[in-house]
Amino acid sequence: AQKITQTQPGMFVQEKEAVTLDCTYDTSDPSYGLFWYKQPSSGEMIFLIYQGSYDQQNATEGRYSLNFQKARKSANLVISASQLGDSAMYFCAMREGISGYSTLTFGKGTMLLVSP
Amino acid sequence: DTAVSQTPKYLVTQMGNDKSIKCEQNLGHDTMYWYKQDSKKFLKIMFSYNNKELIINETVPNRFSPKSPDKAHLNLHINSLELGDSAVYFCASSQGKGAQEQYFGPGTRLTVT
Repeated sequence: AQKITQTQPGMFVQEKEAVTLDCTYDTSDPSYGLFWYKQPSSGEMIFLIYQGSYDQQNATEGRYSLNFQKARKSANLVISASQLGDSAMYFCAMREGISGYSTLTFGKGTMLLVSP
Repeated sequence: DTAVSQTPKYLVTQMGNDKSIKCEQNLGHDTMYWYKQDSKKFLKIMFSYNNKELIINETVPNRFSPKSPDKAHLNLHINSLELGDSAVYFCASSQGKGAQEQYFGPGTRLTVT
């Protein structure tokens, strides 16, 4: 079973609109972290936002917010006021057993295109 | 100052050759990783080292041999390259257990012809 599922291969949004990128995860570990990374066409991986499984509040970083619904095992990324520079591939990822050494398990990604 | 650097950025080589990719981080982190991103953009962990010790080794052909001379460096050597090894290889680092973020290098695009 996939541990991270991103069901939207591609998304389109107009500049200045908000967009939600979906992510669901599967784990039986009570301790985990959820991450979103952005990969523009230049190829680098840029960290956007993090949510811990015990965090009470949804994480926010500037225009990025993470809609964390633990019971549903979803961790959707919301980008407000989209900009042309937001066009990129977005990856949701998870680390399990966050207190030990673990690595990131990635979803297949969502390609976001922002149009003028 | 580059936090995680990789060399080379591009690597084109023929089947059967042996090649190495180098990674260095100047963040003072104690854990480093190699990830492989395939042609469909799927990222998968290959190895993880903590303080020069191998701690995670996913199902990777033994033609791939990582080496960590010190905690700031993690190199990847690949023997007898195959067409299927063509991918982008990312190095990353983080600090200790329960680190919130892994910092990624710029990636090395390996093309095997």
